[in-house]
Order: sequence, then structure tokens, then C-alpha cells
Amino acid sequence: DGGITQSPKYLFRKEGQNVTLSCEQNLNHDAMYWYRQDPGQGLRLIYYSQIVNDFQKGDIAEGYSVSREKKESFPLTVTSAQKNPTAFYLCASRANLGEKLFFGSGTQLSVL
Amino acid sequence: GQNIDQPTEMTATEGAIVQINCTYQTSGFNGLFWYQQHAGEAPTFLSYNVLDGLEEKGRFSSFLSRSKGYSYLLLKELQMKDSASYLCAVRESYNTDKLIFGTGTRLQVFP
Repeated sequence: DGGITQSPKYLFRKEGQNVTLSCEQNLNHDAMYWYRQDPGQGLRLIYYSQIVNDFQKGDIAEGYSVSREKKESFPLTVTSAQKNPTAFYLCASRANLGEKLFFGSGTQLSVL
Repeated sequence: GQNIDQPTEMTATEGAIVQINCTYQTSGFNGLFWYQQHAGEAPTFLSYNVLDGLEEKGRFSSFLSRSKGYSYLLLKELQMKDSASYLCAVRESYNTDKLIFGTGTRLQVFP
């Protein structure tokens, strides 16, 4: 079955630690996205990539980094510079510009 | 500025009809999406409107009025499994990948 896989489902981060969230898709989609979801707030865009080896900052990119070395993969690193990382992180992809997004099942990141 | 408003919570009874409203103020408009999200799960696509009018898809319908900056999602014959959050999202222009999401409306369906 085609889809988007995020791992892990739950992740804990210690002070000063970088952590990486995985996102893999086998839908052959060109574009991939990372969103952050906090209680009482809408989804906010962190980074997006429209093609391999290229990505753009979203609205809240500070404290995060990404890479897009393969079409199927778009990992997100939450760095120690992100002072409030606790949130639900959603990865998404889409086939063509303007079309609906397909979402992964999310990663809940918490700080120890 | 950019602003998308939805009610925070709504309740309804099984078998009833519920209408979830979404108003938006954005610098441009090139389509509005509705997604359903069960707690702790991935949002799933429900509907897309780019022209004024009603789009019907089974028990779910979505309406758009561009002149009023207004959309609604209509859910008929409510079922317990419809208890979820419903997210409204606007695409500002034809050549952008960015969506602006509302805070979502949490719907609880009671027997």
C-alpha cells in the first residue's frame, strides 16, 4: 500500500539534544512538508520541499533543519536551538501543485 | 493579515445534521480545503472548493462564497465515528504550496 510513514510515534528529547524525526513516502510525490501542531492552534508550516535537493523555510523554521537527498525521504531535525519543541509533528506530501495533501500519522515530541 | 476562524468546539446528536463554519481573511485566495483529524492521527482529506457553490460527496458537503470569505462543511446523518476535529485550510495563490490552517473545530457526536 502507498502512503507516508513517520517514525517514531513518540519521541523524548533531553535538554541540549538534537533529535531527528523520520518521514518516508512511497507515493512518488515530488513535494513534501513538515507541520507542527499545538493544542488550540492551527497547523504551522516548518519547512517544505518541492523537489529533491531543494527546500524552503516555512513560517516557523527557526530551530529546525531538514534535508531532501532522496525523493522518498524528508527527515526533520529538531535542534537544541528550538526552545519549545513539545508538539505533534506531521509530515505530508502531495502529487501536483494545488492538490490535496496526504499526511503521515505524526510524531509526538516531548521534552524530558 | 492572514486569519482563518472556526468555532473551537461543537456538539451534535447521532443522526442529526451539523454545519461547521469557516471564515477567512487572506491576502489572496486559490482554494479551500477541509480535512478530518481524529485525535492523535493523520488529517485526511474531505473536500476542496475553488469556485462558489456547494460540493456534495456522500454524507459530507462543502460550500464556498468567495465574496464573503466564507465556507462551511455540512455533515448529515451523523455517526459516532464522525467525532473528530475538522480543519479548514486556505491556499492563497495558484503558484504557492503554502496552506494557511484554521485552529480546527472539535466535533463531539453523542448517542
